[in-house]
Amino acid sequence: IQLVESGGGLAQPGGSLRLSCQASGFTFSDYEMNWVRQAPGKGLEWVSYIIGGETRESVIYYADSVRGRFTISRDNAKNSLYLEMNSLGVDDTALYYCVRDSRDGGQDLWGQGTLVTVS
Amino acid sequence: SYVLTQPPSVSVAPGEMARLTCGGDNIGSKSVHWYQQKPGQAPLLIMYFDIHRPSGIPARFSGSNSGNTATLTISGVEVGDEADYYCQVWVASGGHSWVFGGGTVLSVL
Repeated sequence: IQLVESGGGLAQPGGSLRLSCQASGFTFSDYEMNWVRQAPGKGLEWVSYIIGGETRESVIYYADSVRGRFTISRDNAKNSLYLEMNSLGVDDTALYYCVRDSRDGGQDLWGQGTLVTVS
Repeated sequence: SYVLTQPPSVSVAPGEMARLTCGGDNIGSKSVHWYQQKPGQAPLLIMYFDIHRPSGIPARFSGSNSGNTATLTISGVEVGDEADYYCQVWVASGGHSWVFGGGTVLSVL
């Protein structure tokens, strides 16, 4: 059971990046998923949430700091979660974690993160 | 927006008890989750719904939540418990979001 992020790297201010998260070892479509980030030397900041299940319409939430610039999506057929990031600023520099919401409460599965540097 | 307040640091000697607090407006009405993060590692869920330990988390870890303060208690602290600890709640009013506290650095002297 694991989550593996990719797509991080160096971006210029105002630029874009697309992060991906590959899930394995569990039924990905059954779970709500999130992106959580951590700036260097700082605490955890939740970024975005997308509902699980095969619903016709996705339920999606964003942190105020990224709303209108970031877009979360998922492809259950590919067991993948995505984060499209536009209009990047230096404050978006962080390690971005792909995170699964637990059925029992909290967030019980975290990837190792992918580093995004905006400079 | 909902704010969770954690003390930046707590220091204890090995074998002592550590109490890590998480303050929030009427947090006792919410479900609090706790995470442990060691250097270079992803966070690890160590307590959910205030008082429940995931499988593999030692019984030395316990939780409580009442009024405006949630507490993670570590009894018989070990050197290996040295880490950053974060509390978290789900906020469903005025928007939906996960909210993290700023984190507490636990030092085992």
